[in-house]
Amino acid sequence: DSGVTQTPKHLITATGQRVTLRCSPRSGDLSVYWYQQSLDQGLQFLIQYYNGEERAKGNILERFSAQQFPDLHSELNLSSLELGDSALYFCASSVDQGKNTEAFFGQGTRLTVV
Amino acid sequence: GESVGLHLPTLSVQEGDNSIINCAYSNSASDYFIWYKQESGKGPQFIIDIRSNMDKRQGQRVTVLLNKTVKHLSLQIAATQPGDSAVYFCAENGIKAAGNKLTFGGGTRVLVKP
Repeated sequence: DSGVTQTPKHLITATGQRVTLRCSPRSGDLSVYWYQQSLDQGLQFLIQYYNGEERAKGNILERFSAQQFPDLHSELNLSSLELGDSALYFCASSVDQGKNTEAFFGQGTRLTVV
Repeated sequence: GESVGLHLPTLSVQEGDNSIINCAYSNSASDYFIWYKQESGKGPQFIIDIRSNMDKRQGQRVTVLLNKTVKHLSLQIAATQPGDSAVYFCAENGIKAAGNKLTFGGGTRVLVKP
C-alpha cells in the first residue's frame, strides 16, 4: 500500500457527462500529480500541484481541470466526457515538488465512458 | 520532442534466470531516470533510480545501467521470481522540465515461467 488513496476505484458514465476523481496523498506529502494511462497513449502526465498551487502541466485537455485543497487532497474534474477518455487515472504524491523526488502512486480510478 | 521508448514489449523468462529490460530515451538533456513496476490492478511502484552522473546503480536484486552515449537505459533483475511478473516502465525527468513531470516509456511486460 503506497499510502495514496483514490476514489472511486471504478466509474462508469455516459458520454457528455462530468465526473470528479478524488485523491488523498500520503501523510506529509505536499505535492500531488495526476496521470492518465490508456492503451494507446501509455502513462501520460496531466498536472502537478504543490501545496495548493499548480506546479507543472502536461497535455491536459481543456475539458479537464484539477485543484488541490487546503487539506492537500486533490480532485480531477473531467467534463464533456468522450469515449476516448476511458482510461485509468492515477494520482501520485511526493514530499517535495521538484525533480528527483520519488512519487508514490495510488491504485488508480478506472473510468469507462459508454 | 522528448520521448522515452522501450525495445521489447514482452519478455518471457524462466524463474531463477536473470531478466534484462531495455529502454531508449531521446532527450540528451535528461538527467534523472526511474524504473517503475506495475502489477495488475495496481499503480506504478518505484523500483530504482539513477542520475545522469552515474552509469550504474544497484539495489536489491536489481541493477540499472545508464549509457548516455547511446541514450540507453536497462534494468537487470537477478534470479527472477514469480512475483517479478509485471509491466516495467522507464521514466525520465527532463532537465528543463518544471516541477516533477515524468515522461514514461511504453512499458515491457515480464512473464516469469515456473
